[in-house]
Amino acid sequence: DTGVSQNPRHKITKRGQNVTFRCDPISEHNRLYWYRQTLGQGPEFLTYFQNEAQLEKSRLLSDRFSAERPKGSFSTLEIQRTEQGDSAMYLCASSRTSNEKLFFGSGTQLSVL
Amino acid sequence: LAKTTQPISMDSYEGQEVNITCSHNNIATNDYITWYQQFPSQGPRFIIQGYKTKVTNEVASLFIPADRKSSTLSLPRVSLSDTAVYYCLVGEEGGSYIPTFGRGTSLIVHP
Repeated sequence: DTGVSQNPRHKITKRGQNVTFRCDPISEHNRLYWYRQTLGQGPEFLTYFQNEAQLEKSRLLSDRFSAERPKGSFSTLEIQRTEQGDSAMYLCASSRTSNEKLFFGSGTQLSVL
Repeated sequence: LAKTTQPISMDSYEGQEVNITCSHNNIATNDYITWYQQFPSQGPRFIIQGYKTKVTNEVASLFIPADRKSSTLSLPRVSLSDTAVYYCLVGEEGGSYIPTFGRGTSLIVHP
């Protein structure tokens, strides 16, 4: 069990650029979640996958946000045309099944200048 | 989805027992109660989960009264390293449950 890995740990970008984050869940974990967290707030749910199927994406913040999990293993979260308001910590978590405890990665801290 | 309410912040001193209570008045029959801990610049970490009465592990205890409308996370003899944000989540096992975090309780342990 190597834990959930997220890359990069930090990303600084200019407004208008596209960014992509990667999450490698614990192997054999079927569920993968993406959250966003801003200072002083709890993690805010964005989307989740059951294997390769994206089961909930209505809470992605806008159509600039998209996520994939093409082979049911790693996942990517892309933000197109970044805005300063996108600056936040993006967290990935995985679990074996629904309502089993989540294992979180250390997150990707995005700063949009 | 059951809504949870926790104190925004708490203060304690090293060696004391800390009890953080979470209210979840509309908890459903099949809902479990789960607590997470989060340190700055890290993702949340699972602490404990329970359904009713009392659950204890090496880190904490979770007390759930018979009506299950609240729960209390108990941290025995806290140390400075227990300074963190603690989140209470309520949700049903299985199906389309989405773990939803509130603002949590910021616990500061003083020397």
